[in-house]
Amino acid sequence: DAKTTQPTSMDCAEGRAANLPCNHSTISGNEYVYWYRQIHSQGPQYIIHGLKNNETNEMASLIITEDRKSSTLILPHATLRDTAVYYCIVRAGITGANSKLTFGKGITLSVRP
Amino acid sequence: NAGVTQTPKFRILKIGQSMTLQCTQDMNHNYMYWYRQDPGMGLKLIYYSVGAGITDKGEVPNGYNVSRSTTEDFPLRLELAAPSQTSVYFCASSNIISSYEQYFGPGTRLTVT
Repeated sequence: DAKTTQPTSMDCAEGRAANLPCNHSTISGNEYVYWYRQIHSQGPQYIIHGLKNNETNEMASLIITEDRKSSTLILPHATLRDTAVYYCIVRAGITGANSKLTFGKGITLSVRP
Repeated sequence: NAGVTQTPKFRILKIGQSMTLQCTQDMNHNYMYWYRQDPGMGLKLIYYSVGAGITDKGEVPNGYNVSRSTTEDFPLRLELAAPSQTSVYFCASSNIISSYEQYFGPGTRLTVT
């Protein structure tokens, strides 16, 4: 699986959009980009995933560049409860035996009042 | 549904003791996983299972054993506990079709002294 690079930390103001970047310059054609987050002391939680098109769900939006070498997770209106570590993960496939996820250190998002 | 449950929440072991961390899921998921998370680090996969009776090693299996006799349960056994096994342990599960979306338990915080 391709490796990812994320900044160590960032912060944003409550109510503003939080844009979390991720670089995955060695991503292969069959590899998806996944985002999870981990609120302090809890287990990680799945947020969103994508292959090459931009994706949106009730939690966030995922923007993947045309060359797929980087992506941005967008939380449109950050709240204090969004303070967490966010993991960008690249993995081949969405089903079957390649079900393992490799978690790096992630980016710590701090939402300030 | 309770989702993924783990017991105990906390445990202190002496060096050389053994224990079993329990994990149960009620979502009828085929895939189950054990991760460990050291302070300030991402999660590392210890063992995983793709179904009852089938287990395989992850990234850091040494010092641990697992079994999967039922779909619901995936216990993790620590033999001869060592200080290096002080960590937070997370169990997770996913289904075959959308295996990218893993559901995590609340974790077990283990200290070996």
